[in-house]
Amino acid sequence: AQSVTQPDIHITVSEGASLELRCNYSYGATPYLFWYVQSPGQGLQLLLKYFSGDTLVQGIKGFEAEFKRSQSSFNLRKPSVHWSDAAEYFCAATDSWGKLQFGAGTQVVVTP
Amino acid sequence: SAVISQKPSRDICQRGTSLTIQCQVDSQVTMMFWYRQQPGQSLTLIATANQGSEATYESGFVIDKFPISRPNLTFSTLTVSNMSPEDSSIYLCSVRTGSKNIQYFGAGTRLSVL
Repeated sequence: AQSVTQPDIHITVSEGASLELRCNYSYGATPYLFWYVQSPGQGLQLLLKYFSGDTLVQGIKGFEAEFKRSQSSFNLRKPSVHWSDAAEYFCAATDSWGKLQFGAGTQVVVTP
Repeated sequence: SAVISQKPSRDICQRGTSLTIQCQVDSQVTMMFWYRQQPGQSLTLIATANQGSEATYESGFVIDKFPISRPNLTFSTLTVSNMSPEDSSIYLCSVRTGSKNIQYFGAGTRLSVL
């Protein structure tokens, strides 16, 4: 069955430190991959997407993600986090025009 | 991208009542979706709102509980009927637009049922 897994439910990071959020997928073929962010009391905002081509994808707010076919992963990174990056992050995947499937989410807490 | 407006943004309702949530998009879109996000959980697709025909519901969701309307390509409503406290969730409208399979989300409706 198709699935998206985010192994980390909760991550705490110091402001200014780097952040990496893990995402693994299980699909028959390489799906379209997405990262969304949900700030407290907000809807979901699209951070970045991967369809094909360059495996390092740049997104908004200084985020990037790297697609690794051999590891079935699409990890999200940010070199230096800001307090405003505290939020819930969702990895999602879909095959062509199928349904968008979400991971369980990773809650990011930023400490001073 | 698409700008999606949802109303109301939040509501507190009594058990047994119904609430209709509206979703307005700033451009015509083919695909509109409704999701539920229970407290502390990820998103679950309720249904795909089809313009001019009945919505397509996911397993575990039925039309009697979550009737959906889609009168045109920019507007949809979701009704949560005969509410119970278990219906307390965030309900999100989403649209798929453009040549790529990209979905955008509204800000959500935060529903509390007492």
